[in-house]
Amino acid sequence: QVQLVESGGGVVQPGRSLRLSCAASGFTFSSYGMHWVRQAPGKGLEWVAVIWYDGSNKYYADSVKGRFTISRDNSKNTLYLQMNSLRAEDTAVYYCARDEEMATIDISGFDYWGQGTLVTVSS
Amino acid sequence: SYELTQPPSVSVSPGQTARITCSGDALPKQYAYWYQQKPGQAPVLVIYKDSERPSGIPERFSGSSSGTTVTLTISGVQAEDEADYYCQSADSSGTWPLGVFGGGTKLTVL
Repeated sequence: QVQLVESGGGVVQPGRSLRLSCAASGFTFSSYGMHWVRQAPGKGLEWVAVIWYDGSNKYYADSVKGRFTISRDNSKNTLYLQMNSLRAEDTAVYYCARDEEMATIDISGFDYWGQGTLVTVSS
Repeated sequence: SYELTQPPSVSVSPGQTARITCSGDALPKQYAYWYQQKPGQAPVLVIYKDSERPSGIPERFSGSSSGTTVTLTISGVQAEDEADYYCQSADSSGTWPLGVFGGGTKLTVL
């Protein structure tokens, strides 16, 4: 069965960095685009970033562009999110999610989600 | 920036039909997706490509599209359907594609 397991969250001071990981199993990881989606406490869902199945393209929400970097290692079935220059408003649960279309070069929906990892940015 | 608009809340009695709308200018050209999220849990996809239902999702969940509005319909609402519901689509109007979510609708089962 498809499993996505995030890790790497924690408490970090403003301006510092953190790297999240998402370990995938139960499907051919290299055939699917992958996303990060976040949810601030008590708020709605916010799309953060996407990486194409082959890593050829990456796109970001305006709120994180220039600070966050999405990447993947298809040999390790793992998705990453490098978060730099963190701000208080980046505090959220971060989910990785699989694009529901195989080998797409567009953004579809998200058919599988991890359980999320909490990032708290606070001094 | 592109926005999807949902009502903040919808209330229905058990056994009634709940309809949750989502409006966006690009919805005639882009598919919409719906997610259910219960407290402390990750979202679950309940409708994809406007009206398709993933395996394992009860038949009482259905989706439809008309112009710039998509609608999630839950027929014969049950207490377990109480949750937050989010629509999602893609914004391909710019230089690169972006994901976009509606603000969410809290469904209360009275």
